[in-house]
Amino acid sequence: SQTIHQWPATLVQPVGSPLSLECTVEGTSNPNLYWYRQAAGRGLQLLFYSVGIGQISSEVPQNLSASRPQDRQFILSSKKLLLSDSGFYLCAWRSGAGTDTQYFGPGTRLTVL
Amino acid sequence: AQRVTQPEKLLSVFKGAPVELKCNYSYSGSPELFWYVQYSRQRLQLLLRHISRESIKGFTADLNKGETSFHLKKPFAQEEDSAMYYCALYGPAGRRALTFGSGTRLQVQP
Repeated sequence: SQTIHQWPATLVQPVGSPLSLECTVEGTSNPNLYWYRQAAGRGLQLLFYSVGIGQISSEVPQNLSASRPQDRQFILSSKKLLLSDSGFYLCAWRSGAGTDTQYFGPGTRLTVL
Repeated sequence: AQRVTQPEKLLSVFKGAPVELKCNYSYSGSPELFWYVQYSRQRLQLLLRHISRESIKGFTADLNKGETSFHLKKPFAQEEDSAMYYCALYGPAGRRALTFGSGTRLQVQP
């Protein structure tokens, strides 16, 4: 069966520090991968999605970037964190074969101080 | 651009009362709509999708293209229904991702 992992689960970082959040999927190949940010009162905002290795689409201009170095690995990064980057980050995957259901990871709680 | 609106941030009902979580969308084309749910300390998960026309945990949702709505309904709420509910819209075709509403927290009181 397919599983999706995210780490770390929680992270506290100072303003101006770098960021790297990792997401991996097991049990499937060539998935579509997504990064969302969940902010209180604002729902889920799509940040990036990827349909294949090295293919990244950005939804919102911001301080963050994403990379997909391997088929089932999706990384969210920042060179210098801002206070406004605080939030709950969710990774999700969807089968590239056609089903529309997205499956979500457990999330990472990021606090920037 | 597509948009999903959930006008209620919080909906509080008593156990056994009917529930209706509102969702309106704007989309040019044939929409594909979903309801996702997040229970306390659990992952966000799919509740139902309009294509399936199914009832999950007693919940149903009907797509009304005239009113551009996809409201989630349950005739008799249970305490275990308390959760955060998100309406989502898939597309457009070149963008293989879901657009989510801001979510509605359902509280079912005993």
